[in-house]
Amino acid sequence: ETVLTQSPGTLSLSPGERVTLSCRASQSLGRNFLAWYQQKPGQAPRLLIYGASSRATGIPDRFSGSGSGTDFTLTISRLEPEDFAMYYCQQYDISPGTFGQGTKLEIK
Amino acid sequence: EVQLLESGGGLVQPGGSLRLSCAASGFTFGSYAMNWFRQAPGKGLEWVSAISESGGSTYYADSVKGRFTISRDNSKNTLYLQMSSLRAEDTAVFYCAKSRVTGITSVLSDYWGQGALVTVSS
Repeated sequence: ETVLTQSPGTLSLSPGERVTLSCRASQSLGRNFLAWYQQKPGQAPRLLIYGASSRATGIPDRFSGSGSGTDFTLTISRLEPEDFAMYYCQQYDISPGTFGQGTKLEIK
Repeated sequence: EVQLLESGGGLVQPGGSLRLSCAASGFTFGSYAMNWFRQAPGKGLEWVSAISESGGSTYYADSVKGRFTISRDNSKNTLYLQMSSLRAEDTAVFYCAKSRVTGITSVLSDYWGQGALVTVSS
């Protein structure tokens, strides 16, 4: 199966800062079917980005995704207090779909 | 508004069985494939199973194949996950989720339920 490796494991930042999260796939995603989810404690995941760079419905434009092949990134242009959460990437290009282990974004 | 509400979770002994249900509303249930995911305590997300719009095609993670059965009743807008031969490592919050697009069975999911906790322990 396709392994997704997210880095870093934890990021400590302040509101207003810009952040970039990384997701690397063990094999190339030919259709760039890569998604990003946000999850807060005790809540279900929320779809942010799909197709590597398309924002899901209702997602603020401070969230953006980029990348292709094996290397993908999620950027939050200016952190809001509600953005501190866990972030997971998911590939749905090669069966079975798999998730990265997550990056925790915490308030500094 | 799309809503997914899981039920049926609880404590079960190793080797036991449990059936989860997911009641869907706010969208045309029969037009979308559906998925089950799970998250062990303090761990990441894992896809468990998927079912096509009609229910004619089903898919499973290797970790649950032969033990779990996904099904749906489009007349009742309800998704199910029948779990048997449960193991301690199946302990997790189970989420049902709606595929984002119609026409294909995809694990890309745009709406998730709040989850049902399944604890496998003696």
